[in-house]
Amino acid sequence: KAGVTQTPRYLIKTRGQQVTLSCSPISGHRSVSWYQQTPGQGLQFLFEYFSETQRNKGNFPGRFSGRQFSNSRSEMNVSTLELGDSALYLCASSLEGKLFFGSGTQLSVL
Amino acid sequence: GENVEQHPSTLSVQEGDSAVIKCTYSDSASNYFPWYKQELGKRPQLIIDIRSNVGEKKDQRIAVTLNKTAKHFSLHITETQPEDSAVYFCAASIDSSASKIIFGSGTRLSIRP
Repeated sequence: KAGVTQTPRYLIKTRGQQVTLSCSPISGHRSVSWYQQTPGQGLQFLFEYFSETQRNKGNFPGRFSGRQFSNSRSEMNVSTLELGDSALYLCASSLEGKLFFGSGTQLSVL
Repeated sequence: GENVEQHPSTLSVQEGDSAVIKCTYSDSASNYFPWYKQELGKRPQLIIDIRSNVGEKKDQRIAVTLNKTAKHFSLHITETQPEDSAVYFCAASIDSSASKIIFGSGTRLSIRP
């Protein structure tokens, strides 16, 4: 089976712009979670989707949003980008509680 | 909500020695505790997990222990090898469906030759 695929691999944006990241889960996995990884903060939970519904959300502002499509692919959107949004964004699909991570999208906000 | 604290943040051990990483969690309802290893420039990967109905689990050189009363769980790596050098994350989830898995801040483990 193919692993979790995230696109794009790198993004450079400027403050105030918005960005959309994409995640394709492992075939058969219906749950997709998103995490923000920064050197000082570790892995911070953003949200989780299952069957097109958001089941859980972390403590991020409303500028961070997501959605999931009927084929389980998920997108994450960040609006009005801030310098502090620079991070590695990881998505993970899960089966029986085990997370399988993608390689991430490295977002740099200038 | 759930909060997971992890110690130490960095750990350096001699090759062949043991390494121990400790975590505490805040939500007594948490019942699933995975550990992930992230090598430099790579994605986190699950190395071992334990559920709250079990006190200890071993997989070759890796073991995890859980103390539900104290809300502590630990990762033990024996006979450490250079390839064990990585960042290790503990995590906790209130349900095994992984609808919300909260991670600790990570431990950078270095193995000295």
